Amino acid sequence: DTEVTQTPKHLVMGMTNKKSLKCEQHMGHRAMYWYKQKAKKPPELMFVYSYEKLSINESVPSRFSPECPNSSLLNLHLHALQPEDSALYLCASSQEWGAGGTSYEQYFGPGTRLTVT
Amino acid sequence: GQNIDQPTEMTATEGAIVQINCTYQTSGFNGLFWYQQHAGEAPTFLSYNVLDGLEEKGRFSSFLSRSKGYSYLLLKELQMKDSASYLCAGIYGNKLVFGAGTILRVKS
Repeated sequence: DTEVTQTPKHLVMGMTNKKSLKCEQHMGHRAMYWYKQKAKKPPELMFVYSYEKLSINESVPSRFSPECPNSSLLNLHLHALQPEDSALYLCASSQEWGAGGTSYEQYFGPGTRLTVT
Repeated sequence: GQNIDQPTEMTATEGAIVQINCTYQTSGFNGLFWYQQHAGEAPTFLSYNVLDGLEEKGRFSSFLSRSKGYSYLLLKELQMKDSASYLCAGIYGNKLVFGAGTILRVKS
């Protein structure tokens, strides 16, 4: 199974709502990532979890709160978002983080298209 | 930052060969990936280069020159389904840094 799954596929939320994005992989990968991608732009790294611990937070506003309940699951909790936060949110996983080489090969989920109204 | 530059758009004809170039900052560089991304979909892995030279995988090949800070992705026997964005991504430290992507349009 080389699949990363994400739910929901689409999400529309108001600026006062609280919602969560979910990501799951069963490849035994120990690194998981959240990226944000705007239209016609490359993915921008938000967070990296390695062995269920937060290793990188790319100065992401606190209205985005990641959580890694176990080695297969990654959540992104959303609260009080702004319209400019509307984007495709991609989850990815890789064998390891920081070990170099092909361990960086990241498998991406299909993404959640988020619209903030 | 780690400047990774790619052409914004390219157009090629079905059945032809196209080369997509990528230049990158060599300081701190430790390997390069190419990903394909169709519109509205997630990126998918195409290739990985860490040593100089050419890696061939079916219709796709990727080349790396570490001293020149240069890579290219070569697509042969182009098919309409190859129309997509191609992302060059470099490993710097513990991060994968993406270029802006090259949109390839294949015409019949």
